[in-house]
Amino acid sequence: EAAVTQSPRNKVTVTGGNVTLSCRQTNSHNYMYWYRQDTGHGLRLIHYSYGAGNLQIGDVPDGYKATRTTQEDFFLLLELASPSQTSLYFCASSDSNQAPLFGEGTRLSVL
Amino acid sequence: QQKVQQSPESLSVPEGGMASLNCTSSDRNFQYFWWYRQHSGEGPKALMSIFSDGDKKEGRFTAHLNKASLHVSLHIRDSQPSDSALYFCAAPHNTNTGKLTFGDGTVLTVKP
Repeated sequence: EAAVTQSPRNKVTVTGGNVTLSCRQTNSHNYMYWYRQDTGHGLRLIHYSYGAGNLQIGDVPDGYKATRTTQEDFFLLLELASPSQTSLYFCASSDSNQAPLFGEGTRLSVL
Repeated sequence: QQKVQQSPESLSVPEGGMASLNCTSSDRNFQYFWWYRQHSGEGPKALMSIFSDGDKKEGRFTAHLNKASLHVSLHIRDSQPSDSALYFCAAPHNTNTGKLTFGDGTVLTVKP
């Protein structure tokens, strides 16, 4: 069964802290994405990737880095977390012309 | 600039009633649309796509697309309490990447 697994599901950090969000897909999809979801803004694309070693900038990339280490694994890095990055983060995967399949989300709080 | 706008922000219908959700794009590069549904505490899940002008029906759900006006709608007949969720309209930037631009969503509440 197609799946996108995110970890952790919840994370609390302090301003200036270092956070890594993990995503693994078992769908053999080429594309992976990181979105953030905030009330009133829907889902906004942070970064995405075509494959291992590839990284593309999304619509709201400031303050975020990402790395695609394998076909399956995509990481989102916040090296100096700020309160404005408190949000619900979703990872998704897809192939061409397919609707992205989303994970269950990671809720991040930056105090 | 918001490229995909949804209305209404929230909608309440009685069980068994018809729910109608709307989406308009300001970008003529968006030539087809996806509808997603997100239940509380879960990730968004794709409901259906629509590529051609006119209606597309899947069970109780009917999507309608008018490419000339860049307007797409979703109609849910015989609404059930389990349909209560956040609904998103989304359009792809490019057919090859799956990269989507989402609207802000419509909160649907179906009251028993």
